This record gives sequence, structure tokens and C-alpha cells, in this order.
Amino acid sequence: EDQVTQSPEALRLQEGESSSLNCSYTVSGLRGLFWYRQDPGKGPEFLFTLYSAGEEKEKERLKATLTKKESFLHITAPKPEDSATYLCAVRRRDFGNEKLTFGTGTRLTIIP
Amino acid sequence: KAGVTQTPRYLIKTRGQQVTLSCSPISGHRSVSWYQQTPGQGLQFLFEYFSETQRNKGNFPGRFSGRQFSNSRSEMNVSTLELGDSALYLCASSQTQGTSNEKLFFGSGTQLSVL
Repeated sequence: EDQVTQSPEALRLQEGESSSLNCSYTVSGLRGLFWYRQDPGKGPEFLFTLYSAGEEKEKERLKATLTKKESFLHITAPKPEDSATYLCAVRRRDFGNEKLTFGTGTRLTIIP
Repeated sequence: KAGVTQTPRYLIKTRGQQVTLSCSPISGHRSVSWYQQTPGQGLQFLFEYFSETQRNKGNFPGRFSGRQFSNSRSEMNVSTLELGDSALYLCASSQTQGTSNEKLFFGSGTQLSVL
């Protein structure tokens, strides 16, 4: 069974304090790993898609990386507006059916 | 360009009732998928519709059903509500279906409370 585990569950950082969020997965035939950001009371907002080990993508203070077993979301010099829940999801093909499995997220709080 | 619109925003029902939720995708998007989000289970995939046909289905009982109209708008129905159905129901749209989906655009969801 597909498993997506995100750690830590919650993370509090001082403004400017860099850190990384982890998403480990067990799935055969990965067809994409996605990162989303979710603010309270809103739906998830797309950040990145990674397809193969070694791939990296950046957007402002965020950088996502992918290995064969996990993905990291690195946040550099975060600001209070980066506070949100960060979700990762993996997609694979299952007997002709596309299957997208989400982790339960990391709740990130940036303290001014 | 308007985003994904879900109505109603909040809903309170009692056990045994049924409920219908609505989703209007971004203009030009033909794929609509539905997710249930709870604190303990996170986001779980319900089903995906493309061109008025269900293309993918998650592991939810038959009480959960959906449909898509010719204008790509979608509805989700839950019959015989149970307490455990209390959740945030999210709709997401995309231009294409399945493996072609680079990303999903989510609405703000319908918060359903079952009493």
C-alpha cells in the first residue's frame, strides 16, 4: 500500500531561520511528487511537481528536491507569510487508475 | 480569471440525511476531482471526472457519488450521512486528466458537519 509520511508534524521557526521539511514515500512506479501549501480556511495551492530522482525546483525562498525515497522542501530565511501547512503527494498508476496519495502535512509557523 | 468555486461554504446536516455539494471549475478546465480532508486522515481522493465521465475512483463507499455536467461543473452527493462524514470537502480542477495533470487548482472547500 502507498505510504506518504511527512515530518515533522509541526515546526516553529524564527524569522530568517532556515530549515527543511521531509516527505518520505513508499510507492512503486512513481509518476510525480507534488508539493502544495495550504492556508487556514483555504484549499491547497500548488507549489512544485518533481518527476525523477535528482530533480530540483525553486520558487522564491522554497526549494524542493527529490530522491528515490524522499523529498525535501527547503525553506531559506523564511518570513511570517510563509506560515502554512505544507502537503506533499505522490502519484502512481494502479491498474489503469491514476492514484494520488497525500501526506498529512507539516504545519509551519514562522515567528517574527 | 476566476478560481474554483465551491458552494455552499458551510453545511450542517443530521445523520441519515443526504447532501449535495457543488463545484465550478476554472474556465476551460475539463477535469474535476473531489477530496475529503479530515485532521486525522489528511486529504483522501474520492473521484475524478473528465468530459462528464468518472475516470478515477478512490476507496470510498457507494454512498459517495458524483457527476459532471457538459459545462464541466460538478456535483458530489453523499447519501445516508454518518457522523464520520464530517470533513472539509475539496474540489480541484485541471485542464487535462490523469497523468497529464501538472498541477491541481483547489477551491476553498465545503465544511460539512454531521450531527
